[in-house]
Amino acid sequence: GDSVTQMEGPVTLSEEAFLTINCTYTATGYPSLFWYVQYPGEGLQLLLKATKADDKGSNKGFEATYRKETTSFHLEKGSVQVSDSAVYFCALNSNQAGTALIFGKGTTLSVSS
Amino acid sequence: EPEVTQTPSHQVTQMGQEVILRCVPISNHLYFYWYRQILGQKVEFLVSFYNNEISEKSEIFDDQFSVERPDGSNFTLKIRSTKLEDSAMYFCASSEGDGEKLFFGSGTQLSVL
Repeated sequence: GDSVTQMEGPVTLSEEAFLTINCTYTATGYPSLFWYVQYPGEGLQLLLKATKADDKGSNKGFEATYRKETTSFHLEKGSVQVSDSAVYFCALNSNQAGTALIFGKGTTLSVSS
Repeated sequence: EPEVTQTPSHQVTQMGQEVILRCVPISNHLYFYWYRQILGQKVEFLVSFYNNEISEKSEIFDDQFSVERPDGSNFTLKIRSTKLEDSAMYFCASSEGDGEKLFFGSGTQLSVL
């Protein structure tokens, strides 16, 4: 079945460092891909999404490109801030089975000043 | 921004007891969901609900689970006889339409002793 695999965390960075969180997926058909973020004490929030191959989703300085050839959707940010500390979830929607999202395990990012 | 609210934030119960987790989705949303995350594992889809009936459910959502929209604002998840392995963070979500962005609550941490 469809699945999402994220790099294990936690990821610990200094402020202004470059961030990459890897995400790969397995799916039949043409899924939509998402990154959700969960700040401490809050619910999951959509960070960005891409709905077809080669699309780039971007928001708040974060970017991810839908790579069908490598079945990946890696999250990147050029310069992280302390306020980016959160748990990041990669997810896919197969677009074939309703709107149920399939999530990865989540990667905890901790940024220090 | 409107938000999904969940109560309680923490629930402790004894094995075999019934629990009801409560959610108030965003008022104009039509699709409702429950997800859960066991500590250290993936966020897992449980069930989606539309037009007063279940539209999709996962293998996890067995006869011990039920959902209800008892009035125009609440959406509840009931676990009839809790097991130790039901301990998890339970997230409610809602969306305006099929395939639209999901808005998540901050979750209810359920601990079964």
